[in-house]
Amino acid sequence: QLQLQESGPGLVKPSGTVSLTCIVSGASIRGSSHYWGWIRQSPGKGLEWIGSVFYIGTSSYNPSLNSRSSVSVDTSKNHFFLKLYLATAADTAVYYCARQAFYFDNSGKKRGCFDTWGRGALVTVSS
Amino acid sequence: DIHMIQSPSTLSASVGDRVIITCRASESISNWLAWYQQKPGKAPKLLISKASSLESGVPSRFRGSGSGTEFTLTISGLHPDDVATYSCQQYQDDGLTFGGGTKVEI
Repeated sequence: QLQLQESGPGLVKPSGTVSLTCIVSGASIRGSSHYWGWIRQSPGKGLEWIGSVFYIGTSSYNPSLNSRSSVSVDTSKNHFFLKLYLATAADTAVYYCARQAFYFDNSGKKRGCFDTWGRGALVTVSS
Repeated sequence: DIHMIQSPSTLSASVGDRVIITCRASESISNWLAWYQQKPGKAPKLLISKASSLESGVPSRFRGSGSGTEFTLTISGLHPDDVATYSCQQYQDDGLTFGGGTKVEI
């Protein structure tokens, strides 16, 4: 059974970096046709996609984060990672990692919805 | 970015009621829409993909419909266990976006 678990510091200083690891068990990232993504939810707010990565390392990001995010993968550990640079209080949120489904349309393979989620990790940006 | 607008933002209903939640996209997304259920303090759970495909294990009282820019999630016969926030997500565009959520109360 696929399980994902977020891990990382719960407190980050302003201008610091949010660094999270998603530990995947029950399935191998390597060779998977799925993508692996990060989504966050600020207190009392809706969900916001941050970025996603494929097992070969290709990634895509939400442009609203102004290139502050980086998503990477380590297939040898079956983990993937999030880094969010220059953090501010507005980055305080619950961060979720999730497996992302895929589909095919006229333009080829595309990223889809998130079918399995981790429990989430609260990250607070504060001095 | 494609903007997703959900209505209402909060909904109060009685057990057994039929509940309808609407999600509107700022441009056509074909049927590339998912619905999630999120209970307090928990991660979202995928209910429906491709606008109307029910995920395995999801009760049949949940139904998704629509295409283009207008979508609905219908709960036929509200259960106490359905108290949650429901969110839509489009994946037509590479910049994936979610609706603001609809909180369902009893």
